[in-house]
Amino acid sequence: NAGVTQTPKFQVLKTGQSMTLQCAQDMNHEYMSWYRQDPGMGLRLIHYSVGAGITDQGEVPNGYNVSRSTTEDFPLRLLSAAPSQTSVYFCASSRNRDRVREKLFFGSGTQLSVL
Amino acid sequence: AQSVSQHNHHVILSEAASLELGCNYSYGGTVNLFWYVQYPGQHLQLLLKYFSGDPLVKGIKGFEAEFIKSKFSFNLRKPSVQWSDTAEYFCAVNLKTSYDKVIFGPGTSLSVIP
Repeated sequence: NAGVTQTPKFQVLKTGQSMTLQCAQDMNHEYMSWYRQDPGMGLRLIHYSVGAGITDQGEVPNGYNVSRSTTEDFPLRLLSAAPSQTSVYFCASSRNRDRVREKLFFGSGTQLSVL
Repeated sequence: AQSVSQHNHHVILSEAASLELGCNYSYGGTVNLFWYVQYPGQHLQLLLKYFSGDPLVKGIKGFEAEFIKSKFSFNLRKPSVQWSDTAEYFCAVNLKTSYDKVIFGPGTSLSVIP
């Protein structure tokens, strides 16, 4: 059981370039989310999805797009990278349970540098 | 603004010392509360959680946390830390009325000296 898999582990971009961070889970979790981790700021929620075809914004959605065409995959797109997006990105998933957010399972992270 | 705060950015303790990490939140509704830990080079993983019932919850590796509703707090404790507890600790909250958003605090880095 692989859990939550993120690729790539490291990426360097130039300002203005686009890229997609991949996230896949094999636990049949309905809920998936993306966070960015910055020193002194903890993890901030970018976007989340409660099921295929459904996405919503978190705390810091600007500059990022997501889609959820399948239960397994939840890619995060940077359309025009900026130095402020230099961060470590984590994908997390969990089961849905009525009115309760079950524990999150995290991927190993993607370290992104934008020059 | 609604937020989650953690009292200390970095804590340094000697082995066998007692630990208490503070967490406060500013949400007014009913909440679910979590503590996650990130050991060096590893994934974030759940330490413990509070959904309802007994406000004193026990987690893995001897950790416990107490929910004090009147103080909007969920402090993490361990009576005797070990070198292997060196990690970053995150408090997290979600509102039962908006339970799809799990909001994290800024984290506390714990260093345990042998």
